[in-house]
Amino acid sequence: DAGVIQSPRHEVTEMGQEVTLRCKPISGHDYLFWYRQTMMRGLELLIYFNNNVPIDDSGMPEDRFSAKMPNASFSTLKIQPSEPRDSAVYFCASRDQIREYFGPGTRLTVL
Amino acid sequence: DQQVKQNSPSLSVQEGRISILNCDYTNSMFDYFLWYKKYPAEGPTFLISISSIKDKNEDGRFTVFLNKSAKHLSLHIVPSQPGDSAVYFCAASGGYGGATNKLIFGTGTLLAVQP
Repeated sequence: DAGVIQSPRHEVTEMGQEVTLRCKPISGHDYLFWYRQTMMRGLELLIYFNNNVPIDDSGMPEDRFSAKMPNASFSTLKIQPSEPRDSAVYFCASRDQIREYFGPGTRLTVL
Repeated sequence: DQQVKQNSPSLSVQEGRISILNCDYTNSMFDYFLWYKKYPAEGPTFLISISSIKDKNEDGRFTVFLNKSAKHLSLHIVPSQPGDSAVYFCAASGGYGGATNKLIFGTGTLLAVQP
């Protein structure tokens, strides 16, 4: 298995633009998680899905953030409009019965 | 409010010596704890875990200790190797409602093992 796949690996955009991050979880994993890593707050859970259904989105910082999982093999995290304070590394992770497996992350820079 | 705290942002250790990384938590409902290791430009990878029914778990050079009364856990690496240089994240999950399904992470500790 290729592991969790995220795209793009790097994204540079200007304030006000829409940003879409993509994730393909490991096949057979029922849970999918979106995290954001910053120096100040470490790894923050933004939202997670179980069987494609959003379960807990209490970590989503604002209405500018939205996430979808239209099927078991694909999820998106969208920021619209983006702001400089959204600059961070965004990780997607999927989980089997035991633990979470992380993708390589998307480094987002909002100028 | 940080429920999982790693108060040391960085740690430097000589090769061959012991590395001790610490983690404190505030929520007494947490019942499962994990350590993840992260190299630059990669996602975190699972290292070792411990259930609250234990106070120690060992896997090769890595040992995690849990002190429930102090709400404290630590990761010991013996002997430390240069390849252990990475950011280490402590994480916890709790047995209340849906929270069993999500991990709360600390801010990480950057370990540098000097040759």
